Amino acid sequence: DIQLTQSPSSLSASVGGRVTFTCRASQNIGRNLNWYQQKPGKAPNALIYAASNLQSGVPSRFSGSGSGTDFTLTISSLQPDDLATYYCQQSFTSPKTFGQGTKLQIK
Amino acid sequence: QVQLVESGGGLVKPGGSLRLSCATSGFTFSDSYMSWIRQAPGKGLEWISYIGPSSTYTNYADSVKGRFTISRDNPKNSVYLQMDSLRAEDTAIYYCVRDHYYYVSGSPGNHFDYWGQGTLVTVSS
Repeated sequence: DIQLTQSPSSLSASVGGRVTFTCRASQNIGRNLNWYQQKPGKAPNALIYAASNLQSGVPSRFSGSGSGTDFTLTISSLQPDDLATYYCQQSFTSPKTFGQGTKLQIK
Repeated sequence: QVQLVESGGGLVKPGGSLRLSCATSGFTFSDSYMSWIRQAPGKGLEWISYIGPSSTYTNYADSVKGRFTISRDNPKNSVYLQMDSLRAEDTAIYYCVRDHYYYVSGSPGNHFDYWGQGTLVTVSS
């Protein structure tokens, strides 16, 4: 199975600030990497697909980049509503594995 | 408006069975791959099964293979997960999810674009 390692496991940032999450795959997955946001007590929501494509309805302050084994998710101007855990997920091969998540806290 | 509504969760003893249902609306269900994804309490996400539009294709995670069976009823816009021989480690919230396939820059891929609210399954004596 492909392992996805997210870093850091948690981070704290200020409203208006820029935040970057990292996801590293255990092998080359091309651009088959997706990102999800899970707010406390809620189901996850799709954010980014194919490494850099914004899911419909997601604010443009979210962006993704990367290919191969290294990927990033960036929030350009942090809002209080962005409090959540963020997961990456690979769709290169089955089983479709997730990273362990990065918990974002707002200062 | 897209909706996925799971039902059927609850408390079951180890070795027991449970059948989860997911009723959908707001998208063309009969053209869609569907998956089940679970999340143990305080833990991350684990994909466990998918089914193709005509039920021809199914796949399972090793952790549930041989114990869980996914199925669908296209006229009812519903997908199901039959869970047998349940274990304590199956305790989780189970999400019904649309597995959306796409082409980006000529390359195929898929992601989970619509999620239900989840149903809690607790396996305990």
